[in-house]
Amino acid sequence: DAGVIQSPRHEVTEMGQEVTLRCKPISGHNSLFWYRQTMMRGLELLIYFNNNVPIDDSGMPEDRFSAKMPNASFSTLKIQPSEPRDSAVYFCASSSRGSVAGNTIYFGEGSWLTVV
Amino acid sequence: SQQGEEDPQALSIQEGENATMNCSYKTSINNLQWYRQNSGRGLVHLILIRSNEREKHSGRLRVTLDTSKKSSSLLITASRAADTASYFCATQSGGSYIPTFGRGTSLIVHP
Repeated sequence: DAGVIQSPRHEVTEMGQEVTLRCKPISGHNSLFWYRQTMMRGLELLIYFNNNVPIDDSGMPEDRFSAKMPNASFSTLKIQPSEPRDSAVYFCASSSRGSVAGNTIYFGEGSWLTVV
Repeated sequence: SQQGEEDPQALSIQEGENATMNCSYKTSINNLQWYRQNSGRGLVHLILIRSNEREKHSGRLRVTLDTSKKSSSLLITASRAADTASYFCATQSGGSYIPTFGRGTSLIVHP
C-alpha cells in the first residue's frame, strides 16, 4: 500500500511568495496531521483534521499559515506570504484515529522548504 | 509543547554494541511510542507500550516503561550501521488522540 504522499519534496522560494504544500493520506485513514520540524524547535504539531474537519489549529504559528482538507484524500498547507523563518521540513501524517490507548501516526517523507 | 524528553541528545557507538536511549515525561500517560527517523526521511513507528505494561520486545528492540519514575528506555541490541538515525519518544495523555513528540536522540553506529 502507498504511504502518505507529500509534494513537493523540496521547494526553494523567495520571501513574500506563496507556498503550497500538498498531502495525500493513507487510504482509509480519517485523521490527518501537519507537523513542522526544525533544529531549534523540534517536531511541532501545526494542525490536525478528523474526518476532513479541522479539530485543533492552535499550533499554526500565525495567520500567514492556512490548511485545508477538501476531501478524505487530499490536504494542503499554505503559507502566504512566506518568510525566511518558515524554512523547515513540513511533514504530513495520517492515522486511523485509533484511541487514547494507542494512536500510531504514519508520516510522509516531508517537504523541505527553504525561503530566501 | 513537548511532553517527552529524550536522553542523551546524541549517542555514538560501534557496530555490535548495545544502544540505550531514555525518555522522561511529566504527566501521566496512556501509552508511549518510539519512532525512528532516518536522515532526510519521515518518522517511522517502532513500538508502542501501554501504561499498564512494563516491557515489550520487537526483534532487537526492547522497551521498558516505569510509570513511577515517568520514564521509558529503548534498547537496541547488537547495533548495526543501518540503525543510525534519530529516535523519538511520543506520549499520549488524558483523552487526547494526539501523541506528543520529544526532541529525539541522534544515534550514530560506526561500522
